[in-house]
Amino acid sequence: AQTVTQSQPEMSVQEAETVTLSCTYDTSESDYYLFWYKQPPSRQMILVIRQEAYKQQNATENRFSVNFQKAAKSFSLKISDSQLGDAAMYFCAYYSAGSARQLTFGSGTQLTVLP
Amino acid sequence: NAGVMQNPRHLVRRRGQEARLRCSPVKGHSHVYWYRQLPEEGLKFMVYLQKENIIDESGMPKERFSAEFPKEGPSILRIQQVVRGDSAAYFCASSPEQPNQPQHFGDGTRLSIL
Repeated sequence: AQTVTQSQPEMSVQEAETVTLSCTYDTSESDYYLFWYKQPPSRQMILVIRQEAYKQQNATENRFSVNFQKAAKSFSLKISDSQLGDAAMYFCAYYSAGSARQLTFGSGTQLTVLP
Repeated sequence: NAGVMQNPRHLVRRRGQEARLRCSPVKGHSHVYWYRQLPEEGLKFMVYLQKENIIDESGMPKERFSAEFPKEGPSILRIQQVVRGDSAAYFCASSPEQPNQPQHFGDGTRLSIL
């Protein structure tokens, strides 16, 4: 079974600064996807960024980028120029490209943005 | 396009009652997933359904919990004889027929058991 580990329960960053959230995972599969979801206090689950395991290039979405290290099974999220609206719980998630279709989530990192 | 719609947003039940949670997927999506989020935890997979079929229910408790996704109408997650430990946020997600597409989440139903 796949597992996803987020070792930072809480992180804080000064507005306009950069922060990196860590995520590691364990799998024996070679074909999979990794995601970062954001959950603000409203409790919505918002997709932030997605990475296909077969792609070597790191995904980027505006101020959000990932550092995907397949051999190390590491998938960190970097948020540049942090904004107050980035404050939320961030979840890393694993998705098998096989038939399973279920997402496996980490326990989350609560990000605080300081003005 | 409307996203995934879940209702009710909040549901309060007394111990022993039944809870019914509804989920209407994104229009055109034929796959539905239910996840449970306990306080201070990440989401845990419960069940994956296609129209009229349960594909994977490996994350759903064997007793008291059931799910359906009928040909017409929303997907329903039913919890019978609720207990305090069922208090959680229940999220529904949907995806299209094509494989490996991101799941779109609803806003969740927060279930509180008195």
